[in-house]
Formats: sequence, C-alpha cells, structure tokens
Amino acid sequence: GAVVSQHPSWVICKSGTSVKIECRSLDFQATTMFWYRQFPKQSLMLMATSNEGSKATYEQGVEKDKFLINHASLTLSTLTVTSAHPEDSSFYICSARGRGGAGYSNQPQHFGDGTRLSIL
Amino acid sequence: QKEVEQNSGPLSVPEGAIASLNCTYSDRGSQSFFWYRQYSGKSPELIMFIYSNGDKEDGRFTAQLNKASQYVSLLIRDSQPSDSATYLCAVVGGATNKLIFGTGTLLAVQP
Repeated sequence: GAVVSQHPSWVICKSGTSVKIECRSLDFQATTMFWYRQFPKQSLMLMATSNEGSKATYEQGVEKDKFLINHASLTLSTLTVTSAHPEDSSFYICSARGRGGAGYSNQPQHFGDGTRLSIL
Repeated sequence: QKEVEQNSGPLSVPEGAIASLNCTYSDRGSQSFFWYRQYSGKSPELIMFIYSNGDKEDGRFTAQLNKASQYVSLLIRDSQPSDSATYLCAVVGGATNKLIFGTGTLLAVQP
C-alpha cells in the first residue's frame, strides 16, 4: 500500500519551456502533498506544501510564480515549472501524506519516484 | 545547531554484521520519527517510523527512540550489500509539523 506515482521520470527541454509534473496517490487519499527538490549530493529541500483544495504554502526563497502548484483532488497534485531555465535543472520529488487519527502530521510521508529535469 | 543531525559517513560494515545508524534532533516537542532509505539517484523510501520511546522491530530493522536524550537510531541486522544506500532520519517538528530531514548517513555493506 501507500503508492505514490510521479510522472514524468525524465524531462529534457529547452530554456523557456514550462514543464508540468504530476503526482498521484494511487491507493490512499492524500490530504497533504509536498514538493521537494534535491541537487546532487545534497539533502532534500522542501519547496512547498499543499492541502487539497487550498493554496500551496511555499518555503522561504521559493518563487510561487515560478513553481505553480495545484492540488485539486485528494489523489492528484501538479507542479508546473514555468519558463524553466538551466538553473532549474534538478531532481524534483513529490510526497504524499494520508489521513490518520487525531494527528495527521504523524502519518508517514510516501515519496514518488522523482522527476529528473534537465533544461538545456 | 542543526534540527536533525546525522553522521554523514560513510559507515562501512561487513556483510552479515549489524549496522547502527544514529540521529539526534533538537526540537524536544517532536513526536514522530522516520527512517528513509535513498539509493543513489532515486527518491526516499520509507523504512520505519516510531512514535514512542523504546524499540520497534520490523524484519531486519529495529528503530530505537529515546525522547529524553533526543536520540533515534536504526539497527540493520544481517546487513546485505543491497542495504548500501543513504539513510535519512526525519523528524516532524513539534512547532512546525513539517518533516525535517537530516543530511543522511551513507552505509556501505562490504561483501
């Protein structure tokens, strides 16, 4: 159980292109989804948190107009990197957390397989 | 002081040995603790989670939590070369409710 599907796995595109990444929870309802990026040999960096039906909360330093997040349903969140540039090249990973008892934050986060984005 | 601290390693153990991975955290209000495994170039995979003081066992893995010492560990028994990966300790902060990751410990199991 607790499978998170992320697509696409790889994207190579030209500078200036917008890229959409999808994240789906396949066998549970994800009340909260998270988007991370990771540079080589570095730790995961949280970009934003989104709750179903609400606007995403972005971490300090993350441009909300650059990284558009939509969490329209309990099983789907999308991240759109708008007008991507080479410096946006990174490994983007989504994760999802389902409903739990009294403390949602106690539920484990399950990660998608990640999207490797390369901007030429 | 980092919120979640781990020794970066590499921790090298022979095949069949017990690997012991350690983590300390700074937020005394933290309630939820997780261990993830991340292979090179892949996304993190949940290994264990623990909420209460003491030990929690799942197969070859044992998570240990000591809230008084703000310390959480992961033991891997009968280590296999396939266990070679970076192990990430993650803690849900008491104040923020966000999952905060350590930088990870690289484990290398030698055949």
